[in-house]
Amino acid sequence: AQSVTQLGSHVSVSEGALVLLRCNYSSSVPPYLFWYVQYPNQGLQLLLKYTSAATLVKGINGFEAEFKKSETSFHLTKPSAHMSDAAEYFCAVSDPAHEKLTFGTGTRLTIIP
Amino acid sequence: DAGVTQSPTHLIKTRGQHVTLRCSPISGHKSVSWYQQVLGQGPQFIFQYYEKEERGRGNFPDRFSARQFPNYSSELNVNALLLGDSALYLCASSSYKRQGNYEQYFGPGTRLTVT
Repeated sequence: AQSVTQLGSHVSVSEGALVLLRCNYSSSVPPYLFWYVQYPNQGLQLLLKYTSAATLVKGINGFEAEFKKSETSFHLTKPSAHMSDAAEYFCAVSDPAHEKLTFGTGTRLTIIP
Repeated sequence: DAGVTQSPTHLIKTRGQHVTLRCSPISGHKSVSWYQQVLGQGPQFIFQYYEKEERGRGNFPDRFSARQFPNYSSELNVNALLLGDSALYLCASSSYKRQGNYEQYFGPGTRLTVT
């Protein structure tokens, strides 16, 4: 079975500050890992994905994530927060043999002006 | 190109009723997956269909069923609605089976309220 744990259901950062959203995974097979963003009353938008290529993955809107097998982590970062980054962020893991995504419980990111 | 579309946007039903939700995938995508997102939680996998066959099923009761049509659109059916079925139902499509590409693209969802 696969699972992800997102540490911190709410994170607040000041505009211009570093954004760090934490995700740890559990998987019995080499995982595929994803970060999605959800704005209010909308569906999910893919930010970035890790599929066993480069361990440092760059995504849209200036976000990036680093796969660390030794720490079973896939934390999401952005050097400088913008007001438009305020949203809910979900980490997800998938079995490469299937397409079932297992999501974490989400982290709500608030940007302080 | 149009993204994943879902209908209706919002729906209000009474306990015990039946509901049908619809999804049209991105053109060229043959895989459709359904997820349930209860308020304040992450999405939970319900079904995956590929080439009109069920490829995966999540831990949901038999009241939930789905099908995929020859044009790859899909329907999710829920019978005997319960209050706990109130949620945002998300549809996602992907090209699946294309090596190295496991991106799922989500639609805007259908908000179901059961009263």
